[in-house]
Amino acid sequence: DIVMTQSPLSLPVTPGEPASISCRSSQSLLHSDGYNYLGWYLQKPGQSPQFLMYLSSNRASGVPDRFSGSGSGTDFTLKISRVEAEDVGVYYCMQALQTPITFGQGTRLEIK
Amino acid sequence: EVQLVESGGGLVQPGGSLRLSCAASGFIFSDHWMTWVRQAPGKGLEWLANINTDGSQTYYVDSVKGRFAISRDNSKNSLFLQMDGLRAEDTALYFCARIDAVSFNYWGQGTLVTVSS
Repeated sequence: DIVMTQSPLSLPVTPGEPASISCRSSQSLLHSDGYNYLGWYLQKPGQSPQFLMYLSSNRASGVPDRFSGSGSGTDFTLKISRVEAEDVGVYYCMQALQTPITFGQGTRLEIK
Repeated sequence: EVQLVESGGGLVQPGGSLRLSCAASGFIFSDHWMTWVRQAPGKGLEWLANINTDGSQTYYVDSVKGRFAISRDNSKNSLFLQMDGLRAEDTALYFCARIDAVSFNYWGQGTLVTVSS
């Protein structure tokens, strides 16, 4: 199974400041089609998870451009250029290269 | 508008069974792979199973293989999860989600399963 490891697990951020979450996989997520099968999800308090990013660096429809994703192989990063209050919640990375599909432990972003 | 509405959760004794349903609307259900994901209280997300568009291919995490079965009825725009041999560690909020390419693009609100005597 591919193990997904996120850091940090807790991320206090001042509004307007940037934030960065790291996700590392135990195996490369680079598919033969040239894409990295890594996605990001946000679970806001009391809500279902919502889809943020796909194939490492592509924003889902409606996701603000202050969110960006990068990385390839085994190292990936989700960045928020300027954190807003509505960004609080738990962020998960997920690999979809092979089953079992696996998630990172989650990173809880909170506002200072 | 895409909507996924789970139902069928509840309190069940260890060793018991439950059948979860996920009613889909707002899209052509038969065009999409579907998935079940769960979240134990206070914990992270755990993928459980995928099913292809016509139900001929299914995939499971080892922890539920042989106990859970994912299925679908495209004529009723519905996804199911038959859960047998339930254990205390199966207590969780169960989500269905629509798969687009390699992403879980739309999620339901979840249905709570509690396994306890």
